Amino acid sequence: AQKITQTQPGMFVQEKEAVTLDCTYDTSDPSYGLFWYKQPSSGEMIFLIYQGSYDQQNATEGRYSLNFQKARKSANLVISASQLGDSAMYFCAMREATGTASKLTFGTGTRLQVTL
Amino acid sequence: EPEVTQTPSHQVTQMGQEVILRCVPISNHLYFYWYRQILGQKVEFLVSFYNNEISEKSEIFDDQFSVERPDGSNFTLKIRSTKLEDSAMYFCASSPSFLYGYTFGSGTRLTVV
Repeated sequence: AQKITQTQPGMFVQEKEAVTLDCTYDTSDPSYGLFWYKQPSSGEMIFLIYQGSYDQQNATEGRYSLNFQKARKSANLVISASQLGDSAMYFCAMREATGTASKLTFGTGTRLQVTL
Repeated sequence: EPEVTQTPSHQVTQMGQEVILRCVPISNHLYFYWYRQILGQKVEFLVSFYNNEISEKSEIFDDQFSVERPDGSNFTLKIRSTKLEDSAMYFCASSPSFLYGYTFGSGTRLTVV
């Protein structure tokens, strides 16, 4: 089974509108972290937001917020007031607390295109 | 803001040659990682490194690959006898703690011809 599932290969949103990028995950570990990264066309991976499995509140970072629904195992990214510069690939990732230095497992990504 | 530095940004090599990809992690970070991303595909874990040894490696990280932290600041990935399918973006990352997020470098785009 996929550990991280992103079901939207591509999304379009108009400038200034909000958009939700979906992410579901699968783990039996009670302690884990969920991350969203942005990858613009230049290729670098830019950290956006983090949610810990024990965090009581949804994470927010500026225009980014994470809609964390633990029972449903979903961690959707909400981008408010979209900007043209938000056009990029977005990856959801999970870090599980196993081993001595845990790794990130990535989803397949969602390509977001912001239009005028 | 501290950053992870990777060099070179782009390397072209002939099939069968050895390449060394270099990374300078953030100075107070303890955990180091290599990931790769084949063009158009998802990011895949290669190896994690902690306390001067490999802590975990993926199936991809076979005998062709090795990692080193030769001098306390650099963190290198060596690929011996490169193959066409090794062409990818290789990301180095570092993290200060076990559960918090990583900082990724800007990547090295490796092209094997």
